[in-house]
Amino acid sequence: DAKTTQPPSMDCAEGRAANLPCNHSTISGNEYVYWYRQIHSQGPQYIIHGLKNNETNEMASLIITEDRKSSTLILPHATLRDTAVYYCIAIYNNNDMRFGAGTRLTVKP
Amino acid sequence: EAGVAQSPRYKIIEKRQSVAFWCNPISGHATLYWYQQILGQGPKLLIQFQNNGVVDDSQLPKDRFSAERLKGVDSTLKIQPAKLEDSAVYLCASSLESAGGQYFGPGTRLTVL
Repeated sequence: DAKTTQPPSMDCAEGRAANLPCNHSTISGNEYVYWYRQIHSQGPQYIIHGLKNNETNEMASLIITEDRKSSTLILPHATLRDTAVYYCIAIYNNNDMRFGAGTRLTVKP
Repeated sequence: EAGVAQSPRYKIIEKRQSVAFWCNPISGHATLYWYQQILGQGPKLLIQFQNNGVVDDSQLPKDRFSAERLKGVDSTLKIQPAKLEDSAVYLCASSLESAGGQYFGPGTRLTVL
């Protein structure tokens, strides 16, 4: 079973920031938080991952709380192409990655 | 950089027939994964290879599913015989040995009639 919980769906206005939450209260100290997204009819796409510190790349930012019990993926300026299912996963060393149901993000014009 | 390649993209077979899927990972990626994604669900890991050795196949239905990665590069997943409930998208992914994200191919959509 997935070790994370996410809201089933969210909406966001185009051009605004999309903030996707994830709870992982049982995460262990050596488990990373990974985010992937899956656009309809495509394979999942890696977005970002982190352990303790906040991370940023060209796609998104990842904010992890100090107690590591939750995190937020931020898409700073959402576009219609960001409409997808977003998966938050806690995993150590890429082994036994278990996807939950994810959050279906709909970006609206 | 070329991504993960999979073929075929689509396959329709009748139950009890056999089917095979092929995957070529990103060059230099030692770890290769096969996932099954049933409509409306997240992907489920079937098997993980490290080079040509199996790391985890605990969720592979071994009575009908088999996979190999003989030379530690490309891989084949086989289903023999297929059942109706095997209808799904079969995804292949690869990663550097133990760090960083997994990179997925486009998947093979299998329909079993």
